[in-house]
Amino acid sequence: DGGITQSPKYLFRKEGQNVTLSCEQNLNHDAMYWYRQDPGQGLRLIYYSQIVNDFQKGDIAEGYSVSREKKESFPLTVTSAQKNPTAFYLCASRHRGEVTEAFFGQGTRLTVV
Amino acid sequence: AQSVSQHNHHVILSEAASLELGCNYSYGGTVNLFWYVQYPGQHLQLLLKYFSGDPLVKGIKGFEAEFIKSKFSFNLRKPSVQWSDTAEYFCAVIYSGNTGKLIFGQGTTLQVKP
Repeated sequence: DGGITQSPKYLFRKEGQNVTLSCEQNLNHDAMYWYRQDPGQGLRLIYYSQIVNDFQKGDIAEGYSVSREKKESFPLTVTSAQKNPTAFYLCASRHRGEVTEAFFGQGTRLTVV
Repeated sequence: AQSVSQHNHHVILSEAASLELGCNYSYGGTVNLFWYVQYPGQHLQLLLKYFSGDPLVKGIKGFEAEFIKSKFSFNLRKPSVQWSDTAEYFCAVIYSGNTGKLIFGQGTTLQVKP
């Protein structure tokens, strides 16, 4: 089945450690996105990528990094510089161009203790 | 800055009541508009979308939305809600020429009482 897979579903890390969240899609989509979802704040865009080897900062990129070495994969690293990393992270993908909707993964809940 | 605003953060309705959720976006030229729904424990799903043409669009599960360009609005409506509509609803916008940046509103939590 085609879709977007985020792993793991739950992730616990100690403060000060970097952690990488996985996002893989087999929909042949060019564009991929990472969002952070916090109660009452909606989905805030962290990074997005329109094509392989290219990505842009979203509205809240500080403390995060990404790579896009393959079309299918868009991993997100939450670094120790992110001041409040505990959140629900969502990955999405869509065909490049405007007249298409995005499809979402199930999300990863990151808890930093 | 380009942004999306949802006015109602938490809405509580009884079954069979009518629903209207507000969504406004900031001016930025041509837009493509979406409403997504997130049921408890599930991933975001597309309810409906507007790209061009008839400003009244119909989506799944009896939802519809009207694009009013002069008001920069894309409100979501349903004539009669059901308990199963309990979910969080998100409005989203892609601005033309914005390299595909997909921007979401803050979300509205809808609670339908049986």
